[in-house]
Amino acid sequence: AQSVTQLDSHVSVSEGTPVLLRCNYSSSYSPSLFWYVQHPNKGLQLLLKYTSAATLVKGINGFEAEFKKSETSFHLTKPSAHMSDAAEYFCVVSANSGGYQKVTFGIGTKLQVIP
Amino acid sequence: DAEITQSPRHKITETGRQVTLACHQTWNHNNMFWYRQDLGHGLRLIHYSYGVHDTNKGEVSDGYSVSRSNTEDLPLTLESAASSQTSVYFCASSWSSNTGELFFGEGSRLTVL
Repeated sequence: AQSVTQLDSHVSVSEGTPVLLRCNYSSSYSPSLFWYVQHPNKGLQLLLKYTSAATLVKGINGFEAEFKKSETSFHLTKPSAHMSDAAEYFCVVSANSGGYQKVTFGIGTKLQVIP
Repeated sequence: DAEITQSPRHKITETGRQVTLACHQTWNHNNMFWYRQDLGHGLRLIHYSYGVHDTNKGEVSDGYSVSRSNTEDLPLTLESAASSQTSVYFCASSWSSNTGELFFGEGSRLTVL
């Protein structure tokens, strides 16, 4: 079985403060993990990905995530929030299951940035 | 630049009508996908294709069909639209069937009255 749990549906931070968006996953196989960002009325854009190389992954716009196998987590962080970071963020797990690449999306975390 | 485009971006239709949402990509990707996005559900896979003339059902395929006659296009058809199909639909493509790295279109918002 494969699943993704985004622990917060909404996160609100002040501009200039750190961002933490939490994601836990479950997979019977060695997964790849992704974070996507969706700005209002736009498609999803890849923010960063983990594919079994370095466990600390750096993405675009100053975001990074750390793969922790023991905790089955892949939390997204950014040291200092910017107004342009206000968007919805999706954690995604992907694994090859019987010759088929199963991709599972979390339900999303909406990030609000307060000026 | 390569891209993936969806049309129409907004559509209002009536229950029972046939609707087709177009998806066109210039990445030359073999793999294409259709998702629907609903509040509280994230993105759910409707249909996918790993190449020309290949189509497969996803987790929420009832009431939808796709066909793949070339690499660039994967149109999604609702044979008889229902109010439960009111949603935002996203087309995506990928360069490999062994990756979850997807390139998304900007979405098509469909309202079924």
